Amino acid sequence: GENVEQHPSTLSVQEGDSAVIKCTYSDSASNYFPWYKQELGKGPQLIIDIRSNVGEKKDQRIAVTLNKTAKHFSLHITETQPEDSAVYFCAAWGDSSYKLIFGSGTRLLVRP
Amino acid sequence: DTAVSQTPKYLVTQMGNDKSIKCEQNLGHDTMYWYKQDSKKFLKIMFSYNNKELIINETVPNRFSPKSPDKAHLNLHINSLELGDSAVYFCASSHGDRVAAFFGQGTRLTVV
Repeated sequence: GENVEQHPSTLSVQEGDSAVIKCTYSDSASNYFPWYKQELGKGPQLIIDIRSNVGEKKDQRIAVTLNKTAKHFSLHITETQPEDSAVYFCAAWGDSSYKLIFGSGTRLLVRP
Repeated sequence: DTAVSQTPKYLVTQMGNDKSIKCEQNLGHDTMYWYKQDSKKFLKIMFSYNNKELIINETVPNRFSPKSPDKAHLNLHINSLELGDSAVYFCASSHGDRVAAFFGQGTRLTVV
């Protein structure tokens, strides 16, 4: 069935460094890829998304890249800050199953 | 104004009880969802409604019954609660498919 694999499961970086989270999807027909940030005790919040007709998208310190051929997409956070510490989820719209399929999450810790 | 609101935020109940979680969205979206997040943070869709009609019904025990009285509300009723039902349940909404879903704050259900 359709699935999304996400790596790493945990990531610890020093404040100011960059963080990269990678995801791989199985449904070649997927065309929408959002990223969510979940802080403790809160619901997932959309931080950036990308569609399959675009290779890269940036929003201030956050960027997402998409490689359709390899079925990979990645989240890049530059100049990390302690408030970036959270669990990050990638997701892909499964065209066959007609739903958002989530990765297993990455717990990011930014050390001050 | 809260975009997607769920009540209650916390729910502690005994095995065998019946309980409901309410969800309301004021975003004017036509699609609403219920997700379950387990202790390992994995997000899995349970149900999806579009314009009050059931679109997705994942492999969920029939003790779980969603009810959508109108486009802005999607409630979740759970019968005969079991220990394994303990999790955080998230309501979400979107404007159609292949777009971002907006999540509520979650309801932490603990069955004792």
